[in-house]
Amino acid sequence: AQTVTQSQPEMSVQEAETVTLSCTYDTSENNYYLFWYKQPPSRQMILVIRQEAYKQQNATENRFSVNFQKAAKSFSLKISDSQLGDTAMYFCAFMKKNAGNNRKLIWGLGTSLAVNP
Amino acid sequence: DAEITQSPRHKITETGRQVTLACHQTWNHNNMFWYRQDLGHGLRLIHYSYGVQDTNKGEVSDGYSVSRSNTEDLPLTLESAASSQTSVYFCASSLGLSDGEKLFFGSGTQLSVL
Repeated sequence: AQTVTQSQPEMSVQEAETVTLSCTYDTSENNYYLFWYKQPPSRQMILVIRQEAYKQQNATENRFSVNFQKAAKSFSLKISDSQLGDTAMYFCAFMKKNAGNNRKLIWGLGTSLAVNP
Repeated sequence: DAEITQSPRHKITETGRQVTLACHQTWNHNNMFWYRQDLGHGLRLIHYSYGVQDTNKGEVSDGYSVSRSNTEDLPLTLESAASSQTSVYFCASSLGLSDGEKLFFGSGTQLSVL
């Protein structure tokens, strides 16, 4: 069975600095998706970034980028130029691709990030 | 703009009562999901649906039921509320593979069972 581990329950960073959140996963699958979701204090979960396992190039969305190491089963999120609005809980998630009617997300337990002024 | 709406935002009920949480999406997504979020457990899947008249059990489905009579709505019913069902409940929807399995979430319902 797949598992997703986020080893940092809490992190903090100064505004304008860079922070990296770690995520590791365990799977025997070769074709899958990895996601980072953000949950701000308003509670609504928002997709930050998505990576397809077959793509070697790391995904980037503005200040957010990932370091995807397939062999090491590692999927870290880098936030550059941190802003106060980045304060949130961040969840890493895994989904097997082409799983038919068994397309379920496997979630990590989250990392609480505080951006300090 | 398309959206996914949950109601109510907060609910307090008593043990043994039947409770229904509403979820309505205007994305025209076939796939809809119900999760609960608890400290130390992250998000856990309760039920999900891949289309009208289709429903499936997730990992924590005991005590919950859903029905899908149209594309837009997937109400979640707690048949006889228990204190262990105190949680934050999230509804989500997705287009599926054609959209990279991206999930869109509602704002959640905080349910307290006293």
